[in-house]
Amino acid sequence: RKEVEQDPGPFNVPEGATVAFNCTYSNSASQSFFWYRQDCRKEPKLLMSVYSSGNEDGRFTAQLNRASQYISLLIRDSKLSDSATYLCVVNGADSSYKLIFGSGTRLLVRP
Amino acid sequence: EPEVTQTPSHQVTQMGQEVILRCVPISNHLYFYWYRQILGQKVEFLVSFYNNEISEKSEIFDDQFSVERPDGSNFTLKIRSTKLEDSAMYFCASSGGEVSPGELFFGEGSRLTVL
Repeated sequence: RKEVEQDPGPFNVPEGATVAFNCTYSNSASQSFFWYRQDCRKEPKLLMSVYSSGNEDGRFTAQLNRASQYISLLIRDSKLSDSATYLCVVNGADSSYKLIFGSGTRLLVRP
Repeated sequence: EPEVTQTPSHQVTQMGQEVILRCVPISNHLYFYWYRQILGQKVEFLVSFYNNEISEKSEIFDDQFSVERPDGSNFTLKIRSTKLEDSAMYFCASSGGEVSPGELFFGEGSRLTVL
């Protein structure tokens, strides 16, 4: 099983749509969870941390299910500028300092 | 806004040559990292560095690789005797003093092409 697994997509949605991405991770001892965004040939940028109780930042909502080792990201009212690859990231359980990246889910928002 | 800066943005080298990639982390950060991303693949952890020593390294980070913080601002990745498969984007990152990694701030990357 991959350490962090994501559906590669692409998800092709119209502007204004709601889209959800899922991610599973293999190590139950992981403690920190994040969603990063990566534009084509650019560096990853933190979109949001994911907390146990779930958290929301504007149009973005992240959820964590530790029992199922599952993380989700919901994007409401998609904008053209949301087109990017969304990376699910967890810390390595043997160290707090090593982040393990999923391969990413590509989102295309069309007019 | 403080940022991580990397040089060069692109380097082309011949197989077997040595390459040094340079990074200036955010000034008050304590933790420094190198990640790499082969074209079309995921971002991979190489090494973390804290208190002037390596805190963790991946299987990729073998004897061919080394890191150094030669002064108070620069953080370098040296790749000795480059191989074709070293061609990738190398990202430097830094983070603050939290126990957990917190938010990593990435530089724009150095693209290495080995011919």
